Amino acid sequence: DIQLAQSPSFLSASVGDRVTITCRASQDLGTYLAWYQRKAGKAPRLLIYAGSALQSGVPSRFSGGGSGTEFTLAITSLQPEDFATYYCQQLGGYPLTFGGGTKVVMK
Amino acid sequence: QVQLQESGPGLVKPSETLSLTCTLSSGSISSSSHYWGWIRETPGKGLEWIGSIYYSGDANYSPSLEDRITISLDRSKNQFFLTLNSVTAADMATYYCVRHYKDDAELGVDPWGQGIPVTVTS
Repeated sequence: DIQLAQSPSFLSASVGDRVTITCRASQDLGTYLAWYQRKAGKAPRLLIYAGSALQSGVPSRFSGGGSGTEFTLAITSLQPEDFATYYCQQLGGYPLTFGGGTKVVMK
Repeated sequence: QVQLQESGPGLVKPSETLSLTCTLSSGSISSSSHYWGWIRETPGKGLEWIGSIYYSGDANYSPSLEDRITISLDRSKNQFFLTLNSVTAADMATYYCVRHYKDDAELGVDPWGQGIPVTVTS
């Protein structure tokens, strides 16, 4: 199985901050990596696919980068609605796997 | 735009079988471009892929669950199903039905159903 190590697992930040989350894969994924946002009471929402492509309807303050084994999700100017849990997922092979999640909370 | 909706019992007894249904409100389960899958979420383990099925019936399962799960579909009803046998407290989770791509897998998992919480209790 392809393992994804996501860090940090917990992040405290303020509105307006820039935050970065990292996802490291145990094997080369190329760009077969996606990022999701999970808010309480709602289904996960696809934010970024193919490593860096912004899903339709997602604000441009979200960006993804990286390829191979190291990927990042950045949020510039954190907004109140961005406090949530974020997950990376690899789609490079079965079984599909997720990172452990990063919970972003208000400082 | 494809929308997915899970249905099934919210309570299951230990050792019994969990059966969930996912219904497409639009679009076709017979799409040659997509897989239809199940993902669950627990507070302790986060998101876990369970398995996925293609319209032909070919399925891929999580190795950790494959001895207990079956995913099937009914093309005439535009539905697909999850059966999980011998449930334990470890199977308590919110279960999501999802769609992802066959040949363009890097496009990610989208959409997701709203999720159905499942409790295992006697």
